[in-house]
Amino acid sequence: EVHLVESGGDLVQPGGSLRLSCTASGFTFSDHYMDWVRQAPGKGLEWVGRSRNKANSYTTEYAASVKGRFTISRDDSKNSLYLQMNSLKTDDTAVYYCIRPEVRGRNEQYFDHWGQGTLVTVSS
Amino acid sequence: DIQLTQSPSFLSASVGDRVTITCRASQGISSYLAWFQQKPGKAPNLLIYAASTLQSGVPSRFSGSGSGAEFTLTISSLQPEDFATYYCQQVNSYPITFGGGTKVEIK
Repeated sequence: EVHLVESGGDLVQPGGSLRLSCTASGFTFSDHYMDWVRQAPGKGLEWVGRSRNKANSYTTEYAASVKGRFTISRDDSKNSLYLQMNSLKTDDTAVYYCIRPEVRGRNEQYFDHWGQGTLVTVSS
Repeated sequence: DIQLTQSPSFLSASVGDRVTITCRASQGISSYLAWFQQKPGKAPNLLIYAASTLQSGVPSRFSGSGSGAEFTLTISSLQPEDFATYYCQQVNSYPITFGGGTKVEIK
């Protein structure tokens, strides 16, 4: 069974940094793309970014709102995904979810496995 | 970026009602669309992918249709456990985007 556990959420001041972790189990981590999605309190879902798998050279994609400030990385030996968040803004306050998508059809990645989320609060 | 517009944003319905939610994309996305259900305090749950394919374990009262730029999610007979917020999502191109959500509440 796929299991994803996020950690690292905390209260941080504007301009600060934070690193989130997602520990995965129940599947071969290196075979899969991994994503981050966030949800501000009382708001909708926002895709943050993606790490492709080893076969695709671990390349990454980011939402415009975080590009240049956030970095997604992974350590396949530890079955872990990371989100390094720098220059944090109050608008980054959200629950951050780790997702392991599933390939369907040609190569579309659908978000069928989600972690429970970790709360990041950016406030002075 | 592809914008997804859901309507309505809020829906009040009774148990047993047929409910339809629409998602319109700002440009064609073929059938690369998913629907999610989210309950308070929980992660979203995938209901439908590829516009019309029911995710394993999801009740058959849920169905999806559409292609191109207009899609619908239908709940054929609303059950008490279906009161939640529903989101569409496109995976056609980066950035991946979500609709604004439709909250389904009890009338």
